[in-house]
Amino acid sequence: SQKIEQNSEALNIQEGKTATLTCNYTNYSPAYLQWYRQDPGRGPVFLLLIRENEKEKRKERLKVTFDTTLKQSLFHITASQPADSATYLCALDRTGGGNKLTFGTGTQLKVEL
Amino acid sequence: DADVTQTPRNRITKTGKRIMLECSQTKGHDRMYWYRQDPGLGLRLIYYSFDVKDINKGEISDGYSVSRQAQAKFSLSLESAIPNQTALYFCATSDGWGGVTGELFFGEGSRLTVL
Repeated sequence: SQKIEQNSEALNIQEGKTATLTCNYTNYSPAYLQWYRQDPGRGPVFLLLIRENEKEKRKERLKVTFDTTLKQSLFHITASQPADSATYLCALDRTGGGNKLTFGTGTQLKVEL
Repeated sequence: DADVTQTPRNRITKTGKRIMLECSQTKGHDRMYWYRQDPGLGLRLIYYSFDVKDINKGEISDGYSVSRQAQAKFSLSLESAIPNQTALYFCATSDGWGGVTGELFFGEGSRLTVL
């Protein structure tokens, strides 16, 4: 069956360090992969989209990699700040997937002073 | 004002009652979606619509129905609410193209509790 896996355990890091979150998938052929940020009780907010033929995408302090051989995406936040504390969701847009995103369960990031 | 507005934001109801959650958007997008979010299960797609005459079931549509009244409005109904429909519900829109969903724009959510 198709699965999207994100680490369910919260990631705690110190301010200023780089946070790295992982999204693994099985039995998918994603054409696109997206990352969203969600704060408690709020709707998810789009961060980055990466295509299957792109290895890496950057936006300010954010970097996403996409390895279709390993079936994995890594999401990096450099120089992390307490304001980066949130849950981060990955979502896959499958080739021929009926034009709908499938989401992972998210990883909670806590950046401590 | 928010681009995607959901009403009500919070609702407590009893088993067997009919509930409607409403969503309106000012993004001008054709594509609209309803998701529910449960702890540990993530966001799951209930229904989606690509225009007023195009409505499709998602992965968990049983017990739900939708209505696309206009490009800007997409309502989700629970005909006879049951406790396991207690969840946080999100409406979203996208400016997807062809076979690509594109970026989703979410509303603030409607928290539904069924007693």
